[in-house]
Amino acid sequence: GQQLNQSPQSMFIQEGEDVSMNCTSSSIFNTWLWYKQDPGEGPVLLIALYKAGELTSNGRLTAQFGITRKDSFLNISASIPSDVGIYFCAGQLYHTGNQFYFGTGTSLTVIP
Amino acid sequence: GAVVSQHPSWVICKSGTSVKIECRSLDFQATTMFWYRQFPKQSLMLMATSNEGSKATYEQGVEKDKFLINHASLTLSTLTVTSAHPEDSSFYICSAWGGRGRVYGYTFGSGTRLTVV
Repeated sequence: GQQLNQSPQSMFIQEGEDVSMNCTSSSIFNTWLWYKQDPGEGPVLLIALYKAGELTSNGRLTAQFGITRKDSFLNISASIPSDVGIYFCAGQLYHTGNQFYFGTGTSLTVIP
Repeated sequence: GAVVSQHPSWVICKSGTSVKIECRSLDFQATTMFWYRQFPKQSLMLMATSNEGSKATYEQGVEKDKFLINHASLTLSTLTVTSAHPEDSSFYICSAWGGRGRVYGYTFGSGTRLTVV
């Protein structure tokens, strides 16, 4: 499968701080997605990006599709305790069957 | 809209038995379903892709005879773990893709925790 490298692996931040994480790949993807996963649950979609250079926001979350189509980043502004969880990026390849491949994940801890 | 139901949410089985996990798209037709496996503190690893009415495509390293996938209808795919062993214990998650508009594209089930004893 495809390898998506996500960084940082974990983050410990104070409530109110901004967060930034990114995802890189050796492959070109047609779609980039960002998910949040709580323990014992399936991933929940946060933001979907469909074309290179696209910048999309969802509340305090902003994500961008890199112009090379090999990377993406996610920013969370003014973090709150409920932002705690594991964040995954995922890339989709249309021409090989629409599969999604996931990044290695970023564990976020918000300290009140 | 775009709800995916996965059942059961957890199962404990004896070594050597088989376990079936169901993945249903409740309010859309899923032309493609994906099955993932996740070990503790690790990412989701794609196991296989199933298209309605055709054989599943397995990722390299995934045993097709051990992880049987059936996608008999546009709303149901099943994963059967055959002759389960303790090393098969994991969190299994399905994803359904409608292929008819992006809003239905990226929905996951809530996962199944399999424990083989």
